[in-house]
Amino acid sequence: EVQLVESGGGLVQPGRSLRLSCTTSGFNFGEYAMSWFRQAPGKGLEWVSFIRSTTFGGPMEYAASVKGRFSISRDDSNSIAYLQMNSLKTEDTAMYYCARGYCSSTSCYRYQDWGQGTLVTVSS
Amino acid sequence: DIVMTQSPLSLPVTPGEPASISCRSSQSLLHSNGHNYLDWYVQKPGQSPQLLVYLASHRASRVPDRFSGSGSVTDFTLNISRVEAEDLGIYYCMQGLQSPDTFGQGTKLEIK
Repeated sequence: EVQLVESGGGLVQPGRSLRLSCTTSGFNFGEYAMSWFRQAPGKGLEWVSFIRSTTFGGPMEYAASVKGRFSISRDDSNSIAYLQMNSLKTEDTAMYYCARGYCSSTSCYRYQDWGQGTLVTVSS
Repeated sequence: DIVMTQSPLSLPVTPGEPASISCRSSQSLLHSNGHNYLDWYVQKPGQSPQLLVYLASHRASRVPDRFSGSGSVTDFTLNISRVEAEDLGIYYCMQGLQSPDTFGQGTKLEIK
C-alpha cells in the first residue's frame, strides 16, 4: 500500500524556520517526482515546489511566492522528501501536502498519491 | 503563468443526474507529444485531494467509470454520468504543462 506521511508542521513565529518531512512507503521512491502543495484556510490548492526523480534530474522548481525562502530536497535511501522553509511569513499559514507525481522536461503532473497534510501556522 | 478558469463555481446536483465542469486555460496545454497536460482532482470534505483524471482523458486507477475527462488545447470538461452522494466535494483542474503548476479556483459540487 502506498503511503505518504507529512510531519514537521506547527506554530512558528514570523521570520523563523521549519522543516517539513514526507515519509513514504509502498513504491519505488527514486522513480518518482515529489511535490509540495499548500492550502490556506478556506482557500484553494497552490503548488509550492517539486523535485524530479534522481534519474530524470533537472532543477528544482518553486512558486514565486516561496522562491529564495523554501528549499526542497529528497533522500532516496530513506524514501523521504523535505521542504525547508525559512523566513516564514504569516501568509505561509496553510495545510501542506506532499504528493508523488510524474514529470516532463517542463513541469510535473499526475499526482496520484497525496499525504494527509501537516498544518503550518505562522503567527506572533 | 498559465491561468486556469473553472465554471461553474457551485454545482448543485440531484443524485442520479449527470454533472459537468468546465475548465479553460489561458494558454494551450497541448504538448508536441500529442498529450494535453491537464489533470482533474477532487477534494472531499476533510480529506486530501485525489487524482481523478490525468492527461485530460486518462482515468486514474480505482476511479469509477462514471467519471470521464475530455477536451484539448484550452477547453476541457469533467463529466460525471450519474452523480452519487459520495461525489460531493470541490473539483479542481490543474495544468502540468509548464511550471508553475496552476489550479483552477475549484467547483463545489453539492448534493441536492
